[in-house]
Amino acid sequence: DIQMTQSPSSLSASVGDRVTITCRASQTINRNLNWYQQKPGKAPQLLIHGVFNLQSGVPSRFSGTGSGTDFTLTISSLQPEDFATYYCQQSYGTSFTFGPGTKVDIK
Amino acid sequence: EVQLVQSGAEVKKPGESLKISCQGSGYSFTSYWIAWVRQMPGEGLEWMGTIYPGDSHTTYSPSFQGQVTISADKSTSTASLQWSGLKASDTAMYYCVRVNRETVYYLDSWGQGTLVTVSS
Repeated sequence: DIQMTQSPSSLSASVGDRVTITCRASQTINRNLNWYQQKPGKAPQLLIHGVFNLQSGVPSRFSGTGSGTDFTLTISSLQPEDFATYYCQQSYGTSFTFGPGTKVDIK
Repeated sequence: EVQLVQSGAEVKKPGESLKISCQGSGYSFTSYWIAWVRQMPGEGLEWMGTIYPGDSHTTYSPSFQGQVTISADKSTSTASLQWSGLKASDTAMYYCVRVNRETVYYLDSWGQGTLVTVSS
């Protein structure tokens, strides 16, 4: 099974900050990496698929990079509505494993 | 508009059986995989398994193989998740999600979730 890790597990940031979350796969997954945002009490929402492709309607302050085993989600200027938990997820082969999540809260 | 509408919250006792559902609309239900995702209270997301409604081909996470059954009914555009003997540890929110594919597979449309509570 492919395992996913994320760091940090949580972070505190201010509106306007640049935020970076990293995700690592236990083996190469090429570009089979997606990112989701979940706010409390809500279903997750797709942010980015295939490492860097923004889902329709997602603001351009979100971006993704990486390949192989190491990936990054960046929020260029944190907005109040971005305080949430972020999950990476791999879709290599026939399984879909999520990372443990990174909670972004207000400093 | 793509929509996945899940059945309502359930409260069950340990050992009872349960089937929850997810009805798709706004797209060709038989042409996209549906995944089920578990979220235990205060915890992260866990992929449980996936079904292709076109032929009912199903893939399970090793963690859930034998613990649940995933099925689909093409005639009603409904996917289902069922248990034959619930445990307290099955208490969680369960999401159905459409699996889309361009260059990679991704989960693009989520149901609203079904909260399952198992308690004696």
